[in-house]
Amino acid sequence: DAKTTQPPSMDCAEGRAANLPCNHSTISGNEYVYWYRQIHSQGPQYIIHGLKNNETNEMASLIITEDRKSSTLILPHATLRDTAVYYCIVRVDAGGTSYGKLTFGQGTILTVHP
Amino acid sequence: NAGVTQTPKFRVLKTGQSMTLLCAQDMNHEYMYWYRQDPGMGLRLIHYSVGEGTTAKGEVPDGYNVSRLKKQNFLLGLESAAPSQTSVYFCASSYSRGGGGNQPQHFGDGTRLSIL
Repeated sequence: DAKTTQPPSMDCAEGRAANLPCNHSTISGNEYVYWYRQIHSQGPQYIIHGLKNNETNEMASLIITEDRKSSTLILPHATLRDTAVYYCIVRVDAGGTSYGKLTFGQGTILTVHP
Repeated sequence: NAGVTQTPKFRVLKTGQSMTLLCAQDMNHEYMYWYRQDPGMGLRLIHYSVGEGTTAKGEVPDGYNVSRLKKQNFLLGLESAAPSQTSVYFCASSYSRGGGGNQPQHFGDGTRLSIL
């Protein structure tokens, strides 16, 4: 799976949009971009994933550049409960030899301030 | 919705003791996984299962065994616990490839295990 690079930490004011970047310059054509987050003492929570088109769900939006070498997770109106470690993960199709393995890096610690 | 449930939530063992961690999911998922998370490190895959009756090794399988006798349950066993196995253990599940391709993994809230 392609390696990802994320900033170690970011701050955001409550109510503002939080934009979390991720670089994955070695991504292959069949690799998806996933975002998870982990709130202290809880299990990782799935947020969103995509292949090449931008995606939006009730939690966030995912913007993937045209060359697919980077992406941005957008939390449109951050709240204090969004304070967590956010992981950007790139992985191949679950049916391949990777058996759906997720490789978690260090992630970005997002702190939302009042 | 229960999702993925792990029991117990906390446990303290002495070196050499054995125990079994239970993971149960109610989403009819084919794939199930066991990870461990240690301070300063990401999650590492211990074992996984692609269906009832099948299991396979992940990245760090030594010292652990698993069983998947029922589709909804995935058990992680420590036969002879060692201090190096002190960690937080997470179970996850997902649909199989045939169920929709790249389905996300859903995680439980973890079991915090200390080996003295």
